Amino acid sequence: QSALTQPASVSGSPGQSITISCTGTSSDVGGYNYVSWYQQHPGKAPKLMIYDVSKRPSGVSNRFSGSKSGNTASLTISGLQAEDEADYYCSSYTSSSTWVFGGGTKLTVL
Amino acid sequence: EVQLVESGGGLVQPGGSLRLSCAASGFTFSSYWMSWVRQAPGKGLEWVANIKQDGSEKYYVDSVKGRFTISRDNAKNSLYLQMNSLRAEDTAVYYCAREVRYQLLTSYYYYMDVWGKGTTVTVSS
Repeated sequence: QSALTQPASVSGSPGQSITISCTGTSSDVGGYNYVSWYQQHPGKAPKLMIYDVSKRPSGVSNRFSGSKSGNTASLTISGLQAEDEADYYCSSYTSSSTWVFGGGTKLTVL
Repeated sequence: EVQLVESGGGLVQPGGSLRLSCAASGFTFSSYWMSWVRQAPGKGLEWVANIKQDGSEKYYVDSVKGRFTISRDNAKNSLYLQMNSLRAEDTAVYYCAREVRYQLLTSYYYYMDVWGKGTTVTVSS
């Protein structure tokens, strides 16, 4: 049950695009299309942004997109806005019928 | 409005026990798997445990096996986490979350979509 690997931090200027990676194993990310991404602002509960690798819940901006290749999933945010500054976590269902999260990535909008 | 509200957190000494509750409203609680997820101060999210709709299946992260027990009462629309033999490393905000699992034709959907605001557990002497 090792955590998925995410970069500790990424940054970008308003209007730019950034990508956050999430690397797991064939027992989680690589084995299932059940990768989700969550946004968390300080002191707030996580908010679902992407589910099943690339699907967006109703109400989430289409500036957020997800993809996966092998054991690595990615979250891309295009047209960066100040309000996108937050922590982002990936999550995957696993072969042990459990869930595992990534260590989190702090996004700074310069 | 779909809502999850956690309660029961507090300060407890190492080795002590605490029972967290999560009250669900605005949806058919008995139709969903439910999870507990925690976040230690300044750290990332960690999935803790989950339970099937009828309570027949339960899974735990290794670090809490044998110490924590997840349960639910569908008649009361409530989820619980009994935490025993608490350690300093269990200090965290504990969130309950609704799991969505369904099949549509040949596609399957698995994710956690609704989260409570959390309840804080502090283990310290």
